[in-house]
Amino acid sequence: AQRVTQPEKLLSVFKGAPVELKCNYSYSGSPELFWYVQYSRQRLQLLLRHISRESIKGFTADLNKGETSFHLKKPFAQEEDSAMYYCAPDNYGQNFVFGPGTRLSVLP
Amino acid sequence: GAGVSQSPRYKVTKRGQDVALRCDPISGHVSLYWYRQALGQGPEFLTYFNYEAQQDKSGLPNDRFSAERPEGSISTLTIQRTEQRDSAMYRCASSSSGSEQYFGPGTRLTVT
Repeated sequence: AQRVTQPEKLLSVFKGAPVELKCNYSYSGSPELFWYVQYSRQRLQLLLRHISRESIKGFTADLNKGETSFHLKKPFAQEEDSAMYYCAPDNYGQNFVFGPGTRLSVLP
Repeated sequence: GAGVSQSPRYKVTKRGQDVALRCDPISGHVSLYWYRQALGQGPEFLTYFNYEAQQDKSGLPNDRFSAERPEGSISTLTIQRTEQRDSAMYRCASSSSGSEQYFGPGTRLTVT
């Protein structure tokens, strides 16, 4: 069965500290991997996708097929990064599954 | 044009009543998705459409739930004989390429 795990429900870091939000997946085929973010009182939106290999708002995510992981990283967290983050593999529109989410809290 | 819209934004209904939730996707988007999200959890896939064709409804929890998208644009998710356990945020998203999804603001359903 397709599964996504995000082991931390809540992650608190101080401003300027590095942050890593973990995501592991169990998926057949070669899914495309996404991170979605939801800031307070805003709608869910795409943060980044592995295929584009971009850095968005200082965040990067590396797909590790051996470990089936897609951890989201940022070297220096900012207070405005506080939000809910969801890891989501997409098997090209089939059985789209979101992880349970990690709430990132960046403390001043 | 504008992003994905959903209506109503909030719906309170009594147990046993039917409800219809509407999603208006971004113009021209081929794919439309419905999710349900309980408090403290990630979005749970319900169903999705390409144009007017329902491609996958495996996430619909039971036969009280149905969805349609008759003209390939606006979609309606209908819940018949609502139960308290149906209370959740219902989210709609649309996509042009079957990849990145653009989400609406959600409809918060409360069944009393």
